[in-house]
Amino acid sequence: DIVMTQSPATLSVSPGERATLSCRATQSVGNNLAWYQQKPGQAPRLLIYDASTRATDVPARFSGYGSGTGFTLTISSLQSEDFAVYYCQQYNDWPSTFGQGTRLEIK
Amino acid sequence: QVQLVQSGAEVKKPGSSVTVSCRASGGTFGRNAIGWVRQAPGQGLQWMGGITPVFGVPMYAQQFQGRVTITADESSSTAYMELSRLRSEDTAVYFCALAAGVYAPIDSWGQGTLVTVSS
Repeated sequence: DIVMTQSPATLSVSPGERATLSCRATQSVGNNLAWYQQKPGQAPRLLIYDASTRATDVPARFSGYGSGTGFTLTISSLQSEDFAVYYCQQYNDWPSTFGQGTRLEIK
Repeated sequence: QVQLVQSGAEVKKPGSSVTVSCRASGGTFGRNAIGWVRQAPGQGLQWMGGITPVFGVPMYAQQFQGRVTITADESSSTAYMELSRLRSEDTAVYFCALAAGVYAPIDSWGQGTLVTVSS
């Protein structure tokens, strides 16, 4: 199985600042990479798919970049509602696999 | 827009089986795939397997092969995930998820079903 590794495990950022989250794959997944946001007690929400395409109704402050084995999710100006756990997922190979998550917390 | 509605929480004994259902409310599965993802308490997401109901052939992650059975009933727009030989490590929230295919991102999720395995 492809292993997805996210870094850092926890990121502390002040509201209004920029946050950059990373995700690496043990082998190329092309651009078949998605990012999800999960808040406590809720199901994940799709933010980005195909590495860089924003899902419906996702604010423009969220952007994705990368291909192959290295990917980033950037939130340009953090809002209070953005503090959550973020997961990357590859869907290039079976089975699909997720990273272990990055917790974005208020500094 | 289709919403996925899952069955309620379950408490099971070790060695028993559990079946979680997932119904498409406000529409049908169409040609989409239904996947199952679980999340142990405080942990990350783990893909278990999926099925494209219109084709009817399930696919399972190796880790769950032999213990999980995923089916779908197009007539009722309901998918099912059965996990057998339960152990305490199977305690988790189980989500069903809708995607354009088994090799596609997840567009929408069910609300999750907590399965607790305890003697």
